[in-house]
Amino acid sequence: DTAVSQTPKYLVTQMGNDKSIKCEQNLGHDTMYWYKQDSKKFLKIMFSYNNKELIINETVPNRFSPKSPDKAHLNLHINSLELGDSAVYFCASSQGPAPQYFGPGTRLTVT
Amino acid sequence: GENVEQHPSTLSVQEGDSAVIKCTYSDSASNYFPWYKQELGKRPQLIIDIRSNVGEKKDQRIAVTLNKTAKHFSLHITETQPEDSAVYFCAASVTQGAQKLVFGQGTRLTINP
Repeated sequence: DTAVSQTPKYLVTQMGNDKSIKCEQNLGHDTMYWYKQDSKKFLKIMFSYNNKELIINETVPNRFSPKSPDKAHLNLHINSLELGDSAVYFCASSQGPAPQYFGPGTRLTVT
Repeated sequence: GENVEQHPSTLSVQEGDSAVIKCTYSDSASNYFPWYKQELGKRPQLIIDIRSNVGEKKDQRIAVTLNKTAKHFSLHITETQPEDSAVYFCAASVTQGAQKLVFGQGTRLTINP
């Protein structure tokens, strides 16, 4: 039983392309997140949704657009990919004040 | 804004010994402090957390202590085992509209057999 799943696991693409990452949780949690982990392993919040409502929107380029069609799903669309977008992107969910379960991560490589 | 400093960045201990990782935070309004473990190539996992109304919390071989006055909190792992090898992250909550976490830089813990 996968608690938080995300697809794809790996994404290799060229600069300028547009790509999406999908996330789903089957825990019934109200809150979902997108985190970015850079090459130095630093974890930083990008977005958070509570019951489909955007509640945290960090200083992220507007090329990144999250969408939550329902409280079990949170997708991330990235336009005009740049080299600096290369990172591991983690989806997470919680019923409390902090992420309890993370997805397996999507390793994005922009060439 | 909130700043979380974590030390050391790397830690190597002999199997069976104890390991301690320390974090300091800057925002006195922070009230929730979770710790995450991330094994190589895996996702972060929440391993223990503490709220500001508690000074210490234990769960088997791991414990967390909090000193609100000094604004620091620590993770203690006793009787370390090879499977404890991982990167550990501390975090502190900050409320800016909604509550969010600010993470420390991580500590790479290696347990030597």
